[in-house]
Amino acid sequence: DAGVTQSPTHLIKTRGQHVTLRCSPISGHKSVSWYQQVLGQGPQFIFQYYEKEERGRGNFPDRFSARQFPNYSSELNVNALLLGDSALYLCASQSPSAGVYEQYFGPGTRLTVT
Amino acid sequence: QQPVQSPQAVILREGEDAVINCSSSKALYSVHWYRQKHGEAPVFLMILLKGGEQKGHEKISASFNEKKQQSSLYLTASQLSYSGTYFCGTANTGNQFYFGTGTSLTVIP
Repeated sequence: DAGVTQSPTHLIKTRGQHVTLRCSPISGHKSVSWYQQVLGQGPQFIFQYYEKEERGRGNFPDRFSARQFPNYSSELNVNALLLGDSALYLCASQSPSAGVYEQYFGPGTRLTVT
Repeated sequence: QQPVQSPQAVILREGEDAVINCSSSKALYSVHWYRQKHGEAPVFLMILLKGGEQKGHEKISASFNEKKQQSSLYLTASQLSYSGTYFCGTANTGNQFYFGTGTSLTVIP
């Protein structure tokens, strides 16, 4: 079975632009979480989605939004990009539901904001 | 609410043992452990649930003291492949997940 996939792998954007990151969970997994990892730090929780509904939200500004589609894939959107948004964005899927289960991470999308 | 880990960094020779500690100021209902190698995504190691249930798929052991709000990860007879940054993590009742401060482990020949 394929693991968690994310696209694109790398992205360069300019301050003020908008970006959309995509994630496909492991087949059969219905929950997806998004994390931001700044160089040298641990991942910071942004969102969790389960069955297309937001189940958890981290301490990020409203510029960050996400959604989950009927096939359980997910998008993370960031508006009005700031230099500080430069980071590795990780998507994790978990089975079989929201709650306390192991998370399987995708390879991440490296976002650079100039 | 971020769990605090100790030590921050440790260097081992192959075959030596190590203990990584994770402590939280909030009540812990479960503790996850992940390892992240440089340039790669975190990889799940183990989850410990309140009540003693433990789920994992690698030959690594851990303990979970609910009263002290602490967990420890035990790495025995370390191998070069054990090198990486280890993170504990925990979820709160709002489904927010917090990774710990991280412990960098380097195993040398």
